Parts: sequence; structure tokens; C-alpha cells
Amino acid sequence: DAGVIQSPRHEVTEMGQEVTLRCKPISGHNSLFWYRQTMMRGLELLIYFNNNVPIDDSGMPEDRFSAKMPNASFSTLKIQPSEPRDSAVYFCASSLVGVRQWGYTFGSGTRLTVV
Amino acid sequence: LAKTTQPISMDSYEGQEVNITCSHNNIATNDYITWYQQFPSQGPRFIIQGYKTKVTNEVASLFIPADRKSSTLSLPRVSLSDTAVYYCLVGDNNDMRFGAGTRLTVKP
Repeated sequence: DAGVIQSPRHEVTEMGQEVTLRCKPISGHNSLFWYRQTMMRGLELLIYFNNNVPIDDSGMPEDRFSAKMPNASFSTLKIQPSEPRDSAVYFCASSLVGVRQWGYTFGSGTRLTVV
Repeated sequence: LAKTTQPISMDSYEGQEVNITCSHNNIATNDYITWYQQFPSQGPRFIIQGYKTKVTNEVASLFIPADRKSSTLSLPRVSLSDTAVYYCLVGDNNDMRFGAGTRLTVKP
């Protein structure tokens, strides 16, 4: 398996533009998580899905952020409009609920810079 | 959610054993204890997970006392490449939130 695949690896955009981050979880995993990492705030859980259903989005900073999981093999995190304070590394992770011993598998992240 | 407390940073030398302790006084019955390692510019990587007593794999050991209010990650004979941030998480694997972690620096 290729692991959790995120795209793009790097994204530079101007303030006010829409940004879409993509994630392909490990095949067979039934939980998917979006995290954001900054120096100031560390790793923050934004939202997680079980069986494609959003379970807890309390970590989503504001209405400009939205996440979808239309099927078991794909998820998006959208920021519209983007702001400079959204600059961070965004990680996607997946796991298999009920199989505890392997924890989460993280992707390589998307480094977002909003100028 | 059980809150975790870890030292912010630790220093060690190559070849030494490193023990990082995590406190989680409010751990729930269904909670597992999981440790992750993160290198710069990479996502966290699963190291080890346990519920009670001792767990060992090819990378590390995890010691959990009977009251489960703390846990200790033990890294045997560290090398320079073990320099990273180590996170202790407590939860039921459905909603795991990361704390600040422990920044381990291994010196030659």
C-alpha cells in the first residue's frame, strides 16, 4: 500500500482565494482525520470521519473551513476564502477502527502558504 | 478526553537509554495509550500502543503501571536519528488529540 496520499505537497496562494487540499486514505481504513500544525498551536485536530460520516468538526476554526468525504477513498479540506493566518502544514491521517495496535497512519502533509 | 502532560524537552547522548514519561490522571477505562514520533517536515509516525503492563516492539517499550495514570516510553540505545518530537496520546482511537509533545535531542 502506498500509505496515505495527500496533494498537493506545497500550495502558495493569495489571500481571498479558495484552497482545496486532498487526501486518499489507506484502502480499507474506515476513519479519516484532518490535522493542522503550526509552531504556535502544535497539532490541532480539525475534523474526523467514521465510515465517511463527519463525527466531530468542533476543531474546524471557522466557517471558512469545510471538509467532505464523498467516498471511502477520498476526502477534501477546503478553505474559502483563505487568509494568511491559515498558513500551516495540513495533515491527513487514517485508521481502522477496532484494530488498535497500529494507530493512525499520517500522510506527508500539505504545506499551505497564504500571502 | 484525558489530558496528557509530558516534559517539553529532553537531551540524551548516543547509546543511552531514554525514558519519556507521560502523565494522564484522567484516563478512562476504554482509553489506550499511544506514542508517536515526528521528524521535521513529516507527519507523526506510530511507535507503540498499550493498555496496561508492558508492551515491547522492535522500536521501543511502553511501561504502564496498574493505575494507568502515567506511562513511560523507553527507547533503548538511542542514535542521532532518534532526534524528534515524541507525542503521548490517550483515547479510544476515534478521537485522538495531540499535546505539545517532548522534543528529544540526541547528541554525539
